[in-house]
Amino acid sequence: AQRVTQPEKLLSVFKGAPVELKCNYSYSGSPELFWYVQYSRQRLQLLLRHISRESIKGFTADLNKGETSFHLKKPFAQEEDSAMYYCALNNYGQNFVFGPGTRLSVLP
Amino acid sequence: NAGVTQTPKFRVLKTGQSMTLLCAQDMNHEYMYWYRQDPGMGLRLIHYSVGEGTTAKGEVPDGYNVSRLKKQNFLLGLESAAPSQTSVYFCASSHPRLGTYEQYFGPGTRLTVT
Repeated sequence: AQRVTQPEKLLSVFKGAPVELKCNYSYSGSPELFWYVQYSRQRLQLLLRHISRESIKGFTADLNKGETSFHLKKPFAQEEDSAMYYCALNNYGQNFVFGPGTRLSVLP
Repeated sequence: NAGVTQTPKFRVLKTGQSMTLLCAQDMNHEYMYWYRQDPGMGLRLIHYSVGEGTTAKGEVPDGYNVSRLKKQNFLLGLESAAPSQTSVYFCASSHPRLGTYEQYFGPGTRLTVT
């Protein structure tokens, strides 16, 4: 069965510190992985997708098929990064599986 | 473009009442989804549709029904609301583009069942 785990419910870091949000998945095929972000009282929006290998707002994520992980990283956290972050796995558009989410709090 | 819109934004129901949530998208997307978001549970897929006239069950379909009569609309129905259906409901749409199924989300509907 497809599953996405995010072991941290809450992650607090100080402004300027590095941040890593962990995501592990279980899937038998070749998944499409995403990171979505939800700022306070806003809708979910796409942050990153693994196939595009891009950096958005300073965040990067690398798909590690051996460890079945897709961790989200940023070298220097900013207060405006405080939000809920969801890792998601897609099975050819027909079934999205989201992780439980990690709330990132960046302290001044 | 409005993107994905949801109606209503808030609703309070009594146990046993029924209601329909409307999702509309103006991006000509083929795929549409209904999720519920609960604390500590993330988003869980209720039902989805891969095209007009087609629907399929997701992870938590019990107590909900859906219809996709028009490509741009995806309706979520609760026939007999229960307190366990108190949640925030999100609609999303997607369309394969360059091999990716990026989802676009609506603003959510906060439903309380008393």
